[in-house]
Amino acid sequence: EAGVAQSPRYKIIEKRQSVAFWCNPISGHATLYWYQQILGQGPKLLIQFQNNGVVDDSQLPKDRFSAERLKGVDSTLKIQPAKLEDSAVYLCASSRDRANTGELFFGEGSRLTVL
Amino acid sequence: QKEVEQDPGPLSVPEGAIVSLNCTYSNSAFQYFMWYRQYSRKGPELLMYTYSSGNKEDGRFTAQVDKSSKYISLFIRDSQPSDSATYLCASTTGGGNKLTFGTGTQLKVEL
Repeated sequence: EAGVAQSPRYKIIEKRQSVAFWCNPISGHATLYWYQQILGQGPKLLIQFQNNGVVDDSQLPKDRFSAERLKGVDSTLKIQPAKLEDSAVYLCASSRDRANTGELFFGEGSRLTVL
Repeated sequence: QKEVEQDPGPLSVPEGAIVSLNCTYSNSAFQYFMWYRQYSRKGPELLMYTYSSGNKEDGRFTAQVDKSSKYISLFIRDSQPSDSATYLCASTTGGGNKLTFGTGTQLKVEL
């Protein structure tokens, strides 16, 4: 079974620029998550999709972050304009169903550095 | 107060030692408790999963949950250098609600 795929693995941009991250979840997984992990901290949920609908985006900074999951499969996370404090690893995860009993499968992450 | 608190370490132990990693949580509604292991520059991977209170053993790993004291533990027996990683505890109420992570404890097992 192929794992969660993310790209790019690394991205360096200057503040006020934009960036987009892509995620392909495990085949058949209905629920997709984007987490932000700042150095030395645990992952923080940004947005959760069930198929192509948003379940939870309460911690997504909507003035600069956006995410979509077209056709209930792949997802993109965009930041525009980026701030210094957005430097972090952006982790995509998927799970089989919405019950969310905690069994998430994570990708390797996209590491963003904002200069 | 964070919902899940964890000592960030780092924790350094000799090979073969018994390791104890701990978390506390504040949300009484949490029902599911997980330990994730995260190697450097990798995503977290699920290591142990427990529902409600009690113990669960898997090889060298034992997860323990005490809901009365809101305390989560992970024990690693006969620790190996390959166990060197960051260990994240996490909890959720289930039912589609979000997973809340601790900050992670960095463990180094030395030869």
